[in-house]
Amino acid sequence: KQEVTQIPAALSVPEGENLVLNCSFTDSAIYNLQWFRQDPGKGLTSLLLIQSSQREQTSGRLNASLDKSSGRSTLYIAASQPGDSATYLCAVGNQAGTALIFGKGTTLSVSS
Amino acid sequence: NAGVTQTPKFRVLKTGQSMTLLCAQDMNHEYMYWYRQDPGMGLRLIHYSVGEGTTAKGEVPDGYNVSRLKKQNFLLGLESAAPSQTSVYFCASSYPSGAAEAFFGQGTRLTVV
Repeated sequence: KQEVTQIPAALSVPEGENLVLNCSFTDSAIYNLQWFRQDPGKGLTSLLLIQSSQREQTSGRLNASLDKSSGRSTLYIAASQPGDSATYLCAVGNQAGTALIFGKGTTLSVSS
Repeated sequence: NAGVTQTPKFRVLKTGQSMTLLCAQDMNHEYMYWYRQDPGMGLRLIHYSVGEGTTAKGEVPDGYNVSRLKKQNFLLGLESAAPSQTSVYFCASSYPSGAAEAFFGQGTRLTVV
């Protein structure tokens, strides 16, 4: 059974700092990997999707990497801002592409 | 462009009552999903559908039923609500491709008393 773990569970940083969020998964036979952002009381917003054949994706200040062989992905956030404060969720697509298996998230707080 | 719309946004039920949550998407996606999100448990898949007229069980299907009579709609039913079904429910949809993002609705906060 695929299990997804995100470390740390919570992170507090000062504005301007570069940071890395970690995601690990137990089964390397994945369809894709997606990073989401969730604000309190809100739905999930897709940030980046990495196909199983890709190594990384970039969008603005965000960069996500994927290493299937080691079962790991990282989300790099450059020059963090208070508006980046949210919970970040990592989700792995199962091999059939019929489900996303989620980690429990990392709650990020960026102070000004 | 509405994306994925869930109805209702909030609901309080008494134990034993029934209700249906409606999910509608306007992106012509084949796949649709229902998840529940609970503190400390993360998001867990309840049921999913890979096309009109098809449904399948996810990780936590007990106590729920679903129907996909139209491609754009995916209904989640609770026949006899229990306090353990107090949760936030999210619907999502996607194309059947590894390059396709999943899009989520804003959630339905359900409390069963």
